[in-house]
Amino acid sequence: EAGVVQSPRYKIIEKKQPVAFWCNPISGHNTLYWYRQNLGQGPELLIRYENEEAVDDSQLPKDRFSAERLKGVDSTLKIQPAELGDSAVYLCASKDSQETQYFGPGTRLLVL
Amino acid sequence: AQSVTQPDIHITVSEGASLELRCNYSYGATPYLFWYVQSPGQGLQLLLKYFSGDTLVQGIKGFEAEFKRSQSSFNLRKPSVHWSDAAEYFCAVGAGNYGQNFVFGPGTRLSVLP
Repeated sequence: EAGVVQSPRYKIIEKKQPVAFWCNPISGHNTLYWYRQNLGQGPELLIRYENEEAVDDSQLPKDRFSAERLKGVDSTLKIQPAELGDSAVYLCASKDSQETQYFGPGTRLLVL
Repeated sequence: AQSVTQPDIHITVSEGASLELRCNYSYGATPYLFWYVQSPGQGLQLLLKYFSGDTLVQGIKGFEAEFKRSQSSFNLRKPSVHWSDAAEYFCAVGAGNYGQNFVFGPGTRLSVLP
């Protein structure tokens, strides 16, 4: 069984530029999460989807971040415009029926 | 709101020695509890989880953890550490009706001496 797939793995951009991250969850997993992990810290939730509905986006900085999960499968997280403080690893996870989350390898973003 | 603390930022042990990583949580009810491991440049891998029942749970790679309700703790243990265990370890709490509200601790970095 394939795991959670994320792309790109690495991204370097200049501040004020837009950037997008893509996630393909494990087949059959209805719940999808986006996390941000700063260096030396644990992941912090940005948004949670149940199928195509964003049910918890309270931690998503909505002035510059947006996300979508069309058709309840793949998801895209976008930042526009990026700021220096957005440099982090962006993790995608999907949850199975046993309430366990499985994580992708992450996208490491560096904003210059 | 739930929270997780991992008191030890960095632990160093010798290969073959025993290991215990501490995790304390704050939540009004019995939460779902998890331990994940993250190797450099890798995603998080689930080591073990506790939902209910036996408070001593076994995981992969020879790890185990014990849930102690009275201490609000879920400490991770391994009797004999291998050099390949060097990594970052995260404790997480899942709360809500189905454990869907996930909160991670800050992590403990494990170094293993040869």
